[in-house]
Amino acid sequence: DQQVKQNSPSLSVQEGRISILNCDYTNSMFDYFLWYKKYPAEGPTFLISISSIKDKNEDGRFTVFLNKSAKHLSLHIVPSQPGDSAVYFCAARRSQGNLIFGKGTKLSVKP
Amino acid sequence: KAGVTQTPRYLIKTRGQQVTLSCSPISGHRSVSWYQQTPGQGLQFLFEYFSETQRNKGNFPGRFSGRQFSNSRSEMNVSTLELGDSALYLCASSLRTSGVDTQYFGPGTRLTVL
Repeated sequence: DQQVKQNSPSLSVQEGRISILNCDYTNSMFDYFLWYKKYPAEGPTFLISISSIKDKNEDGRFTVFLNKSAKHLSLHIVPSQPGDSAVYFCAARRSQGNLIFGKGTKLSVKP
Repeated sequence: KAGVTQTPRYLIKTRGQQVTLSCSPISGHRSVSWYQQTPGQGLQFLFEYFSETQRNKGNFPGRFSGRQFSNSRSEMNVSTLELGDSALYLCASSLRTSGVDTQYFGPGTRLTVL
């Protein structure tokens, strides 16, 4: 049973436009959510996180939105750059629990 | 600060052998978690160690084991290797001082089982 789902395996966006990556979860006990970016042959790199007590967190070009009633979060990248091309993983956890990851979305930003 | 380091970076083994992977966390981090990444499965949690004690365990067979030393360095062992164990094994460390903290990943060890 997949508790964290990223339903889009891939996404292609034009440089300068907005990239929106989506993530759904099933466990209402999750209280912390994170996004990681992963390049080939490297470990995931932490991007941005959000606590369940918030509905938005912003860091530069990256914004994460959390809709608890829909059990949905999204990562917005504005403006998208070719260097943003990578696989993006959504992750969630309960307090003191382990991280549970989605299967990732491969983002391609075309010049 | 130096990041999370993992050794070796690449490893080739044959079925039935065993393997030990090593992870050195970021200085000051006391929690180390291990993940397996395979194509199509994303990152799957193996186990977490905190202060030399296993705190959480994922749904993997007993062939997968780990330990943590007093300096927070951690090792992961896989015995009786199977072809399906071929994967990228990732280690992540964190402070774990509160309910909300961030895990930082190492570059991973790419294990190939022939």
